[in-house]
Amino acid sequence: EVQLVQSGAEVKKPGESLKISCKTSGYSFTTYWIAWVRQMPGKGLDWMGIIYPGDSDTRYSPAFQGQVTISADKSISTAYLQWSSLKASDTAMYYCARHGGPQLWSAPDSWGQGTLVTVSS
Amino acid sequence: QTVVTQEPSFSVSPGGTVTLTCGLRSGSVSTGYFPSWYQQTPGQPPRTLIYSTNIRSSGVPDRFSGSLLGNKAALTITGAQADDESDYYCVLYMGSDIAWVFGGGTKLTVL
Repeated sequence: EVQLVQSGAEVKKPGESLKISCKTSGYSFTTYWIAWVRQMPGKGLDWMGIIYPGDSDTRYSPAFQGQVTISADKSISTAYLQWSSLKASDTAMYYCARHGGPQLWSAPDSWGQGTLVTVSS
Repeated sequence: QTVVTQEPSFSVSPGGTVTLTCGLRSGSVSTGYFPSWYQQTPGQPPRTLIYSTNIRSSGVPDRFSGSLLGNKAALTITGAQADDESDYYCVLYMGSDIAWVFGGGTKLTVL
């Protein structure tokens, strides 16, 4: 069974750094793309970016380029999303999602449970 | 500016049929956009319904179907049930640079 288990909720202050995780199991981590998706309170889904753990090929939505960093650790089948300096506007639920195959055009098919990030002074 | 367009809201009667659409601000949706559909209820992660236009995800009932309708992708729900009341999102593949873009979502009411 494919599973994506995300790290717990975080409360941070503006300007702080943060790295959240998505631990996967039940499939070959290195042969499926993994994406991160933001959902701001009461809003829709925003696709942020994606990584292919096999070779660390990473793509970002233009809206998130330079704002976050996506990475992966093959040794522990875990993907990460990190910020160097959080803003209040980063307050949101963040989901990791496995895409359905080794091709970039394979859509998201399995989802983590979400990590709530709250940024407040 | 929303590149991928969806109806903000829709309503359907129990037992009825509803078709939600997913379009582009400019141009037509084709199979090459690999349109996919997700259902989300409050407090839950999205659930994958349809991928690559019309392939039903494992465990999804066959009353959910995907297609192309005119210049848009479409999600049709037949025999609507109360627990179909959810937000529905489509996502399109926009090429290797931008990769994927979600639509704004449709809030479906069953009443």
